[in-house]
Amino acid sequence: NAGVTQTPKFQVLKTGQSMTLQCAQDMNHEYMSWYRQDPGMGLRLIHYSVGAGITDQGEVPNGYNVSRSTTEDFPLRLLSAAPSQTSVYFCASRRDAGYEQYFGPGTRLTVT
Amino acid sequence: KQEVTQIPAALSVPEGENLVLNCSFTDSAIYNLQWFRQDPGKGLTSLLLIQSSQREQTSGRLNASLDKSSGRSTLYIAASQPGDSATYLCAVYAGNNRKLIWGLGTSLAVNP
Repeated sequence: NAGVTQTPKFQVLKTGQSMTLQCAQDMNHEYMSWYRQDPGMGLRLIHYSVGAGITDQGEVPNGYNVSRSTTEDFPLRLLSAAPSQTSVYFCASRRDAGYEQYFGPGTRLTVT
Repeated sequence: KQEVTQIPAALSVPEGENLVLNCSFTDSAIYNLQWFRQDPGKGLTSLLLIQSSQREQTSGRLNASLDKSSGRSTLYIAASQPGDSATYLCAVYAGNNRKLIWGLGTSLAVNP
């Protein structure tokens, strides 16, 4: 199993550009989540999904969209990038509500 | 509102020492608690998951305990090694969808 994979590893955007961060898992996990990690603020939940076709907002959803058309994939879209979205983004998955959570390697995003 | 605190924020110890990392939470109505390790510039690696009905879990030199009534978990690392240097994060599973609530982590340095 590859586990949780994320692409790209690094990305630089200009303000106003849009892009999609990719996340995939091959463990047949129902739960998938997107987090951002910023110094001094810890991990903050952006959006999450409890199964294909079901998504919900986390703590900091503004400026981001998600969809979950398959169990395997959970892309995160930045609609119009802003410098405040400079961060490290992590995708995570777990089998079900109470199971162990696994993380991808992260995407380091810089918005200039 | 559930809050998770990790003390100390940073810890430096000589190689070979046994050490304890602390995680406290404000609401005892948690489901599970998970400890993670994060190396600089990397993703999060799951160390141990303690289910709400368990008091402790062990993996190699690591032992995690959970006391829901007092709102505390500890991660015990035996015979520390320089390779244990990393940031250790704890997260509690809370709410209907078992969202993870995160501490800010303890940055551990084990000196040769």
